[in-house]
Amino acid sequence: GAVVSQHPSWVICKSGTSVKIECRSLDFQATTMFWYRQFPKQSLMLMATSNEGSKATYEQGVEKDKFLINHASLTLSTLTVTSAHPEDSSFYICSARALTGGLNTGELFFGEGSRLTVL
Amino acid sequence: GENVEQHPSTLSVQEGDSAVIKCTYSDSASNYFPWYKQELGKRPQLIIDIRSNVGEKKDQRIAVTLNKTAKHFSLHITETQPEDSAVYFCAAEWGNTPLVFGKGTRLSVIA
Repeated sequence: GAVVSQHPSWVICKSGTSVKIECRSLDFQATTMFWYRQFPKQSLMLMATSNEGSKATYEQGVEKDKFLINHASLTLSTLTVTSAHPEDSSFYICSARALTGGLNTGELFFGEGSRLTVL
Repeated sequence: GENVEQHPSTLSVQEGDSAVIKCTYSDSASNYFPWYKQELGKRPQLIIDIRSNVGEKKDQRIAVTLNKTAKHFSLHITETQPEDSAVYFCAAEWGNTPLVFGKGTRLSVIA
């Protein structure tokens, strides 16, 4: 199946610093990627839809200036948590759909996730 | 927008018994319903999915049923094993819209 790679898998940073998380589709092109946030023992909450070559679409309540998303190529999307604070500590997971011949296969492939801890 | 409700939130079964997790969705336009299994600290993994033109799908010990009229779908795991212990998420989507997930069910299979 398709592979989505996410890096780093875990990161610890000081309050006030920025952290960048990368999400790559390794063997397919993804015009759309999704960023989710997951708190302990909770479900995956969609933060934003990352669109290649255009601005991301953010879900209600997600601060676009705090969570910067860039989708510069068909295989890479990045999430930057700016001026991180302890409440930003969470598990962030990206995902992408594999497109075959222009058709949306439907299956969503997830990255390994990035556990962010802000001290 | 779509809203997905999932029950139960926790489920404990004896090894060898069956487990059933149920989900309901609100948007009648939704046409794709995947189920994901997530082990602690790992990414969700697709275990089975069903599209709206099908009422049931089975893959070995796992099956999913869909009732479009009632807008609910269920995951059935038979002959459960300890390695089935994990959190299971249902989800729904329409077209190319983002998946909307249920809140998850923590399944514990007791040996």
